[in-house]
Amino acid sequence: KQEVTQIPAALSVPEGENLVLNCSFTDSAIYNLQWFRQDSGTGLTSLLLIQSSQREQTSGRLNASLDKSSGRSTLYIAASQPGDSATYLCAVFGNEKLTFGTGTRLTIIP
Amino acid sequence: GAGVSQSPSNKVTEKGKDVELRCDPISGHTALYWYRQSLGQGLEFLIYFQGNSAPDKSGLPSDRFSAERTGGSVSTLTIQRTQQEDSAVYLCASSFSSGGQVLYFGAGTRLSVL
Repeated sequence: KQEVTQIPAALSVPEGENLVLNCSFTDSAIYNLQWFRQDSGTGLTSLLLIQSSQREQTSGRLNASLDKSSGRSTLYIAASQPGDSATYLCAVFGNEKLTFGTGTRLTIIP
Repeated sequence: GAGVSQSPSNKVTEKGKDVELRCDPISGHTALYWYRQSLGQGLEFLIYFQGNSAPDKSGLPSDRFSAERTGGSVSTLTIQRTQQEDSAVYLCASSFSSGGQVLYFGAGTRLSVL
């Protein structure tokens, strides 16, 4: 059974700093890995999708990496802003479904 | 519509009553997923549809839970004889196909069982 772990569970950083969120998964037989953000009271918004054959994906200030063999992914956020405050979830796609981690609650301090 | 629509946004019910949660996916999306998020927990997979069929029902917690999808569009998740442990946010997502495409989520239905 696929298990996805995210560390840390919560993180607070001053505005402007760069930061890294970590995700690990137990079964490397994945089709892709997706990062989402979840804001209070709303659904999830897809940020980045990395196919299993890829090593990284970039979108604006966000960069996600994937090391499938070691079961790890990181989400790098550059020059953090207060609007980045949210819960970030990673999820791996395999066996026709996404399996989610429990998330990292990120707070950017102005 | 422009996004995935779920209704109602909030539902309060008494223990033992039945509830129906509705999901209207993005037009043209053939895959539809239901997840549950309990307080402080991660997202728990419940069921997914490819068209009108549900190849994987493995996540449904008990036989009180059922789901259907008609016309390859709207889906309904039904919980019979609700229990307090059913209280959670129920999230629906759709994607263009079931082959690992990006999932687009609705805002969810917050279910509270008293």
